[in-house]
Amino acid sequence: GIQVEQSPPDLILQEGANSTLRCNFSDSVNNLQWFHQNPWGQLINLFYIPSGTKQNGRLSATTVATERYSLLYISSSQTTDSGVYFCAVGVVGGGADGLTFGKGTHLIIQP
Amino acid sequence: EAQVTQNPRYLITVTGKKLTVTCSQNMNHEYMSWYRQDPGLGLRQIYYSMNVEVTDKGDVPEGYKVSRKEKRNFPLILESPSPNQTSLYFCASSLAITGGIAFFGQGTRLTVV
Repeated sequence: GIQVEQSPPDLILQEGANSTLRCNFSDSVNNLQWFHQNPWGQLINLFYIPSGTKQNGRLSATTVATERYSLLYISSSQTTDSGVYFCAVGVVGGGADGLTFGKGTHLIIQP
Repeated sequence: EAQVTQNPRYLITVTGKKLTVTCSQNMNHEYMSWYRQDPGLGLRQIYYSMNVEVTDKGDVPEGYKVSRKEKRNFPLILESPSPNQTSLYFCASSLAITGGIAFFGQGTRLTVV
């Protein structure tokens, strides 16, 4: 099956800093989503971005499908940005694989 | 508001006592699935359903059952829970198998003692 690798696994930043999270995937995909898991465990949809660039406030994401990677940018970090960020991909194939998740990036924003 | 609703949010139960976690979506989505999340293992798919009365196994189906009698509902059934099923469970739905945004429920934190 498809492999999804996220980096870095852990990131500690001061409030106000910028960060870039990376997601590499091993095969062509037709679905890519970024999620934020908050301290209460809820998975929050950030972006649906199988290709191209999107922005939502301080967050933006870019997926370069031909090179099999996606980047999530967080600018002017706030403590509420802390949590785990997951990249998940979906593929078209013989089976219905649903979404395959990376292991996540654990982000800690210190005041 | 488009949403996926799971109940209960938290559950502590004893080994062997049958339980059901409910999942309902209000978006008329065809595709629904269940995931479990465990430390160090990430999220793994348990079962999925492509439509009413159509279900299939995901990556970790052992010890679980599902049913899809109505489009909006996709309950997860643990006939005889065991401690290794202690986990955080998520239900998800999307318009298609792939190619459409997936919406996740709030999660159900299950502890089996």
